Amino acid sequence: DGGITQSPKYLFRKEGQNVTLSCEQNLNHDAMYWYRQDPGQGLRLIYYSQIVNDFQKGDIAEGYSVSREKKESFPLTVTSAQKNPTAFYLCASSIRRDKNIQYFGAGTRLSVL
Amino acid sequence: GIQVEQSPPDLILQEGANSTLRCNFSDSVNNLQWFHQNPWGQLINLFYIPSGTKQNGRLSATTVATERYSLLYISSSQTTDSGVYFCAVEDGNKLVFGAGTILRVKS
Repeated sequence: DGGITQSPKYLFRKEGQNVTLSCEQNLNHDAMYWYRQDPGQGLRLIYYSQIVNDFQKGDIAEGYSVSREKKESFPLTVTSAQKNPTAFYLCASSIRRDKNIQYFGAGTRLSVL
Repeated sequence: GIQVEQSPPDLILQEGANSTLRCNFSDSVNNLQWFHQNPWGQLINLFYIPSGTKQNGRLSATTVATERYSLLYISSSQTTDSGVYFCAVEDGNKLVFGAGTILRVKS
């Protein structure tokens, strides 16, 4: 089935630890996005990538890093510099030429131990 | 950047009732989308509607671009309609999301 797969579903981070969230898509979409959602709030853009080997910071990039080595993969690393990482993280993708209609994965819930 | 405001923030309906959700945005846009987030967190794209009216089953949406607002209508609501409804508009290469409307449909 075509879609966007995020893993793991739940993740726990220890103090000072870096953790990586996986996002894979088999939709052949050009663009991929990472969002953070805090309880009772909308989605805020962390990073996005429109083509392989290129990505741009969103509104809240501090404490996060990404890579885009393959079209289908866009992993997000939450570094130890992110002091408040507990949130729900959502990955999305879109065909840029198709009106930027975004399709979302099921999300990863990150908590701090 | 573009500001997006949604109202009401919360809505409780009895099953079978109709509702209207509103999205106001601060600047002209070429892209407006409505999403539904189910209680498990999954977001589903409902409409791509930068202008005009679209219908999909019990849901319909209207965007009046010149007046900078969009409306999402839910008719004959069902418990499965519960969740959070987001409006998002494009600002440059990214989507800007409103804070959402939490809908609870009671049986």
